Amino acid sequence: KAGVTQTPRYLIKTRGQQVTLSCSPISGHRSVSWYQQTPGQGLQFLFEYFSETQRNKGNFPGRFSGRQFSNSRSEMNVSTLELGDSALYLCASSLVGGSTYNEQFFGPGTRLTVL
Amino acid sequence: AQTVTQSQPEMSVQEAETVTLSCTYDTSESDYYLFWYKQPPSRQMILVIRQEAYKQQNATENRFSVNFQKAAKSFSLKISDSQLGDAAMYFCAYRVPQTSGTYKYIFGTGTRLKVLA
Repeated sequence: KAGVTQTPRYLIKTRGQQVTLSCSPISGHRSVSWYQQTPGQGLQFLFEYFSETQRNKGNFPGRFSGRQFSNSRSEMNVSTLELGDSALYLCASSLVGGSTYNEQFFGPGTRLTVL
Repeated sequence: AQTVTQSQPEMSVQEAETVTLSCTYDTSESDYYLFWYKQPPSRQMILVIRQEAYKQQNATENRFSVNFQKAAKSFSLKISDSQLGDAAMYFCAYRVPQTSGTYKYIFGTGTRLKVLA
């Protein structure tokens, strides 16, 4: 079974631009979560989508948004980029419900650099 | 507030020796899971070990084991017979169910483990 995939892997943008990141979960996983990882801050939770609905949201400004499609693929958008948005953005999928542990499986991340 | 604290930003261990990474968490929930994730340099984050809060027995996965002290809200990771491939950033995480039917994860800031040959 293929793992979580994220595209693109690397991205360089300038301040003020916007960016869209994509995440394809493991087949059958319906929950997708997004995290921002920066040195010293660890993983900061952005939001989670399940069945095309945002279920949970972290403490990030409205410039950060996302959506989930019917095939469970998810996109994350950041508008009006700031230098502080430079980070590794991680996507994680999980199988919600059933008898499994429902742990999260992570993708390789998208490294965003804002100049 | 739900928080996870990893007080050791960086640790070193000699190859074949044992090292313990500490993690404390704060929660008022009774139903939760705890996890340790490993993130090797420039590689994908993977699950190392998990612990259900209702289980008193400490989880073990080969060379990895935890010391779960529920009353103290402590969840440390012990790596025995350390190998060069254990060098990575280790994240402690705590998970609680949400009314939405999904889960909320809280991660610590990570501990970078160096393994010395």
